[in-house]
Amino acid sequence: GDSVTQMEGPVTLSEEAFLTINCTYTATGYPSLFWYVQYPGEGLQLLLKATKADDKGSNKGFEATYRKETTSFHLEKGSVQVSDSAVYFCALSDSSYKLIFGSGTRLLVRP
Amino acid sequence: NAGVTQTPKFQVLKTGQSMTLQCAQDMNHEYMSWYRQDPGMGLRLIHYSVGAGITDQGEVPNGYNVSRSTTEDFPLRLLSAAPSQTSVYFCASAPGLAGGRTDTQYFGPGTRLTVL
Repeated sequence: GDSVTQMEGPVTLSEEAFLTINCTYTATGYPSLFWYVQYPGEGLQLLLKATKADDKGSNKGFEATYRKETTSFHLEKGSVQVSDSAVYFCALSDSSYKLIFGSGTRLLVRP
Repeated sequence: NAGVTQTPKFQVLKTGQSMTLQCAQDMNHEYMSWYRQDPGMGLRLIHYSVGAGITDQGEVPNGYNVSRSTTEDFPLRLLSAAPSQTSVYFCASAPGLAGGRTDTQYFGPGTRLTVL
């Protein structure tokens, strides 16, 4: 079945460092891909999405490109802030509107 | 516009007790879902609904029941709580085809459940 694999965390960075969180997926069809973010004690918020190959999703300085040839959707940010500390989830959705999540990656940004 | 709301925020049960987790949305979304979040496992789909009167099982449905009598509400019932059901539960909704936007789900704040 469909699945999502994320890099293990935690990822610890200094403020203003470059961030990459790797995400790869397995799917039989052509899913939409998402990054959700969960701040401490809160629910999940949609960070960005891409619905077809070569689409780039972006929001709040974060970017991810839907790469069909490598089945990847890596999350990047050029300069992280302390306020970006959270758990980041990669997910895919087939046409039936069910999300399949990766295990999550915790990001800690130190001042 | 409150979005997706869940009650209670926290709950402690004893093994064998039953309870209902409430979920409501005020966005007229067709699709609603329940997920559980466990450490190191991401979120897993329990049950989902594509409209009033229609429900289906997700990845981990055992021990849970759902119903969808209205568009707004999608309660999750634990029939006989077990320690393995200790988790954080999230409800989500999505516009569906009638909403004109594809497959973005909106999550509630979650219910933290502990079963002793």
